[in-house]
Amino acid sequence: EAQVTQNPRYLITVTGKKLTVTCSQNMNHEYMSWYRQDPGLGLRQIYYSMNVEVTDKGDVPEGYKVSRKEKRNFPLILESPSPNQTSLYFCASSLSSGFLSSGANVLTFGAGSRLTVL
Amino acid sequence: GQQVMQIPQYQHVQEGEDFTTYCNSSTTLSNIQWYKQRPGGHPVFLIQLVKSGEVKKQKRLTFQFGEAKKNSSLHITATQTTDVGTYFCAVNSGTYKYIFGTGTRLKVLA
Repeated sequence: EAQVTQNPRYLITVTGKKLTVTCSQNMNHEYMSWYRQDPGLGLRQIYYSMNVEVTDKGDVPEGYKVSRKEKRNFPLILESPSPNQTSLYFCASSLSSGFLSSGANVLTFGAGSRLTVL
Repeated sequence: GQQVMQIPQYQHVQEGEDFTTYCNSSTTLSNIQWYKQRPGGHPVFLIQLVKSGEVKKQKRLTFQFGEAKKNSSLHITATQTTDVGTYFCAVNSGTYKYIFGTGTRLKVLA
């Protein structure tokens, strides 16, 4: 089954304790991205990756790092989590982000990871 | 940066009533996508509009892209309880960044 898999689904941690949220897709998608969802703010893009070893900042990258060493994986790293990073996180992928008419830019989302930082 | 305003933020309707959510941009858009997120779930793609004035239908859902490509709407006819969720518009304009609207949360009262 084509899917995006995120882990963990739920996590409670403390301020300053490094954590990684993993994201893996089995669709051979070039494009992957991370979002955080907060009440009243919708989905905001944190980082994205156009392909292996190519990443760039989205609208809210502060406090986060990413890497794309393999095409299928795109982990989100919080080096020193703070309470304002408490949120619902989604990973998503698409075949590419261009080619509007072909639908290659349609995002497939993972199930989400709810993170609480105390 | 580019912003997409989505209204209303919330909408409660009686089952069988119609529902509409709107997305507006101050700049011309290359495309607009619509996603639905069920309560406790993740966003799921509904449709993409690319052409000026485009109208697409999916059963009771009608999607429109404005003539000036600065706004879009999603209209649901005769809502059902299965329509409950949050509806998001999103723009990426063929670039690598995706901008999502703030979403409209729909509640349907049986």
